[in-house]
Amino acid sequence: QQQVKQSPQSLIVQKGGISIINCAYENTAFDYFPWYQQFPGKGPALLIAIRPDVSEKKEGRFTISFNKSAKQFSLHIMDSQPGDSATYFCAASVNFGNEKLTFGTGTRLTIIP
Amino acid sequence: DAGVIQSPRHEVTEMGQEVTLRCKPISGHDYLFWYRQTMMRGLELLIYFNNNVPIDDSGMPEDRFSAKMPNASFSTLKIQPSEPRDSAVYFCASTLAGGPSDTQYFGPGTRLTVL
Repeated sequence: QQQVKQSPQSLIVQKGGISIINCAYENTAFDYFPWYQQFPGKGPALLIAIRPDVSEKKEGRFTISFNKSAKQFSLHIMDSQPGDSATYFCAASVNFGNEKLTFGTGTRLTIIP
Repeated sequence: DAGVIQSPRHEVTEMGQEVTLRCKPISGHDYLFWYRQTMMRGLELLIYFNNNVPIDDSGMPEDRFSAKMPNASFSTLKIQPSEPRDSAVYFCASTLAGGPSDTQYFGPGTRLTVL
């Protein structure tokens, strides 16, 4: 099963708060988990990615948490800002990037003042 | 670099007409992907090429869809005949050698409306 399930579909967070987006997968062969960010009218762009040999990866205000046993990973945005308002996609791949990405369905994040 | 270039940016056509979407990948990238994005189904991979050769077209919805990559700097996605349910945003993306899951650089997309 190649599916990646993403939740929630939409999320509203107050400025300064923590935004959390979750993804779950079935295929235990997945070994690469990127997150893409998409602004309205633009194509998605890679935000941050993790491999399953670590449980967490942090880049600035963005953190991926990875739970291999639960087959789940999540994106945390600390101190959320209005400029973070976008659609976020999780994705997964097998064979260390030698196979195509399977994307989640996306989460529309809105940061309100 | 100008990034991935797609044309047209918007296309409105009538049911039954042929539609051709165009993509110029980033120079030097050897993987090219075509995606379709809709509210209902999210981002779906239609087909991808490696060194101009189609590798996986399992996402192409039906025979009405076809894609070509005649050279390293150009690809087309054709829909013939088009149907209203084909209305979506179509993205092209490319990536450098390393694998099809390496950082993909997306174009701005073509918004297709089939009336």
